[in-house]
Amino acid sequence: DTEVTQTPKHLVMGMTNKKSLKCEQHMGHRAMYWYKQKAKKPPELMFVYSYEKLSINESVPSRFSPECPNSSLLNLHLHALQPEDSALYLCASSQTLIGSPLHFGNGTRLTVT
Amino acid sequence: AQRVTQPEKLLSVFKGAPVELKCNYSYSGSPELFWYVQYSRQRLQLLLRHISRESIKGFTADLNKGETSFHLKKPFAQEEDSAMYYCALRRYGNGSSNTGKLIFGQGTTLQVKP
Repeated sequence: DTEVTQTPKHLVMGMTNKKSLKCEQHMGHRAMYWYKQKAKKPPELMFVYSYEKLSINESVPSRFSPECPNSSLLNLHLHALQPEDSALYLCASSQTLIGSPLHFGNGTRLTVT
Repeated sequence: AQRVTQPEKLLSVFKGAPVELKCNYSYSGSPELFWYVQYSRQRLQLLLRHISRESIKGFTADLNKGETSFHLKKPFAQEEDSAMYYCALRRYGNGSSNTGKLIFGQGTTLQVKP
């Protein structure tokens, strides 16, 4: 399996809802990433995990809460989001933090109403 | 600070014409440079990395440290090359809190006309 799988593909949620985005890879990669991408803009880094520990938090608001329960899984818990948080959320993985390229999932298209 | 600049939002060429997508970077340490491509309705995919010095789908890119550039080139464009291309930079080396941080340029849309 050489893919990064993200679920769900689409998500619509209200500002008071709590939801989670899921990401899975079975390539044995030990670094995992969350990116946010707005329409016609480049991906912006949110979080980096290395060996299941949070390595980088790009000053992301606390309404986004990442979790890495094991080396294959990465979650992004969402709570009290704003309409401006609507975007494509991309998960990626790499063998390690350096010297290996990132592999991206197809993303979850999130709409906050 | 790391910064990647792609000066062209849109590059439009005819099939068979040469293509050069420009990428300049600013970074004080040792960078890793990548080109990623996003075809319509597909995931972001790695196209090239400077460490590999390979040619993928006819594309090449050479890291020029003197000019801090990593331009992407192809001698003869094909219609299937039409896509969004992102240049990206990552810190290379251990011992930094920013290790692993991959940042992207603004992207260039390549349009290859028949």
